[in-house]
Amino acid sequence: NAGVTQTPKFQVLKTGQSMTLQCAQDMNHEYMSWYRQDPGMGLRLIHYSVGAGITDQGEVPNGYNVSRSTTEDFPLRLLSAAPSQTSVYFCASSPLITKLSTDTQYFGPGTRLTVL
Amino acid sequence: QKEVEQDPGPLSVPEGAIVSLNCTYSNSAFQYFMWYRQYSRKGPELLMYTYSSGNKEDGRFTAQVDKSSKYISLFIRDSQPSDSATYLCAMRQGSNYQLIWGAGTKLIIKP
Repeated sequence: NAGVTQTPKFQVLKTGQSMTLQCAQDMNHEYMSWYRQDPGMGLRLIHYSVGAGITDQGEVPNGYNVSRSTTEDFPLRLLSAAPSQTSVYFCASSPLITKLSTDTQYFGPGTRLTVL
Repeated sequence: QKEVEQDPGPLSVPEGAIVSLNCTYSNSAFQYFMWYRQYSRKGPELLMYTYSSGNKEDGRFTAQVDKSSKYISLFIRDSQPSDSATYLCAMRQGSNYQLIWGAGTKLIIKP
């Protein structure tokens, strides 16, 4: 049981390049999300999904796309990288929230992205 | 103004001290409150979870929610160097999946 895995761990891009950050989970969780973490800003939600084929925007979606074709995978695409997207990106998953469940989000190890 | 305010620290205390970490919030609709711990260069992990008001204890950790003051706290007793990490508070409304996060407080426990 690997939990939540993210690749790559580190990435350097030039302005205007595109790339996809990969996220996979093996816990059969319905809910998956992408956050970015910047100093002094905490975690900010980019996009989330409550199941295969269903995605929605979070707080800071501009410049990012997502898709959810399977329960396990939730890739994040940067369309045209900008220096403002330099950040640490975390993918997380959790069971769908019910009255009896806890708000336990399981986080991946993160991807450190630098855009020059 | 942010919905959730948290002092970024760093907070440095000697080993064995009692630590108090706090968050304030502005949205009275928040019902679910969490504390996550994040070690350096790792993802956050859930530490404590509380629904509505009151206290919850788990070993050396106690989470406290005061909804009337819109204030939550995490207490760590007998602090250890292994408790050195960033502590993030998070909360959400009852009908909303989205967690709202504090910026995190960096805690350093000196041996």
